[in-house]
Amino acid sequence: QSALTQPPSASGSPGQSVTISCTGTSSDVGGYNYVSWYQQHPGKAPKLMIYEVSKRPSGVPDRFSGSKSGNTASLTVSGLQTDDEADYYCSSHAGSNPYVFGTGTKVTVL
Amino acid sequence: QLQLQESGPGLVKPSETLSLTCTVSGVSITSSSDHWGWIRQPPGKGLEWIGNIHYSGITSYNASLQSRVTISVDTSKKHFSLRLSSVTAADTAIYYCARLPVDYSVNYWGQGILVTVSS
Repeated sequence: QSALTQPPSASGSPGQSVTISCTGTSSDVGGYNYVSWYQQHPGKAPKLMIYEVSKRPSGVPDRFSGSKSGNTASLTVSGLQTDDEADYYCSSHAGSNPYVFGTGTKVTVL
Repeated sequence: QLQLQESGPGLVKPSETLSLTCTVSGVSITSSSDHWGWIRQPPGKGLEWIGNIHYSGITSYNASLQSRVTISVDTSKKHFSLRLSSVTAADTAIYYCARLPVDYSVNYWGQGILVTVSS
């Protein structure tokens, strides 16, 4: 099972929006509504930001939103803040392989 | 509040077996809706799911590691464990234990433990 494809980097100025893509196949992203997104600051454990494509856990700001179209899922961070600068990973259920992660995207706040 | 804490050696010799334990507090490890798992991250690289276990003993492993991985659970001690045999330098990583609910997300993570494979 190959890793899901994410762009290596993305950036935006404070207050702007940034969207990160996560591309898989019909066997993972396209086949299930079980896409999650994680934020990871340097030296820290990942933190769940989005689950089931577009749901936010309690405590996650509504500036973070998720969507999916076909085999590609997306995470949008609106109203960028300096603390949003981090690595972001997507993951998807993939049938017999319950968890497939993305390659990761480093978000820089300019 | 749920807390997960990894413990074990930070240095393992090549060809030996890596053994880690995750202690769960603040929630029952016997929740029927949760699985408990291990995820690793080589330094500077991405995340890789290793496997997970339900308190009933049902396990699921990453196919690429299946021949070397064993995950077990001790409900009386409120912990679950990872054993990875025949390790090489490629197994050097931060190992996270985690809670995996039915929605196939990872909603709680331990702080992680760096395991280095070196002689």
